[in-house]
Amino acid sequence: NAGVTQTPKFQVLKTGQSMTLQCAQDMNHEYMSWYRQDPGMGLRLIHYSVGAGITDQGEVPNGYNVSRSTTEDFPLRLLSAAPSQTSVYFCASRLLPGRVIPSSYNEQFFGPGTRLTVL
Amino acid sequence: ELKVEQNPLFLSMQEGKNYTIYCNYSTTSDRLYWYRQDPGKSLESLFVLLSNGAVKQEGRLMASLDTKARLSTLHITAAVHDLSATYFCAVDISAGTASKLTFGTGTRLQVTL
Repeated sequence: NAGVTQTPKFQVLKTGQSMTLQCAQDMNHEYMSWYRQDPGMGLRLIHYSVGAGITDQGEVPNGYNVSRSTTEDFPLRLLSAAPSQTSVYFCASRLLPGRVIPSSYNEQFFGPGTRLTVL
Repeated sequence: ELKVEQNPLFLSMQEGKNYTIYCNYSTTSDRLYWYRQDPGKSLESLFVLLSNGAVKQEGRLMASLDTKARLSTLHITAAVHDLSATYFCAVDISAGTASKLTFGTGTRLQVTL
């Protein structure tokens, strides 16, 4: 299993440009989520999804869109990038609560991250 | 709104010493995670604590959970340089199929020789 993969690893954008951060997992996890990590602030939840066709907002959703057309993929779209969106973005996946397998305990797996700079 | 507070934010300790990182949270939860992050890397899962009184140990690290006090601790025994990293706790609030992890701000641990 590749686990959770993210592309690109690094990206530089100009203010106002749009782009999509890609995230894929091959563990058949229903739950996928996007976080951003800023210095001194830990990770903050942007959007999450509990299955194909179902998404919801997290703590900091403004400026970001998501969709979930398949179980495997959960892309994050920046429609009009702003310098405040300079951050490291992590995608994560897990089984839904209630689907606990003793060996995993609903462990959440993180992708390698995308470092985004908006100029 | 769930708040998760870690302290200390920064910890410099000598090799061979013991220390504890604290994670306090503001809302009832019975599921708490500890992660390690090395500079420029992703998060690595260390422990999943699922119930009151849960204790997990791996090598020099031991984590515990007191859901009544809304407190988790990560204890480091006889620290070694390889433990230098940032450690995060994360609290899981689940309602039906909605599940959200709220992270603490992290504790940057530096173990000096």
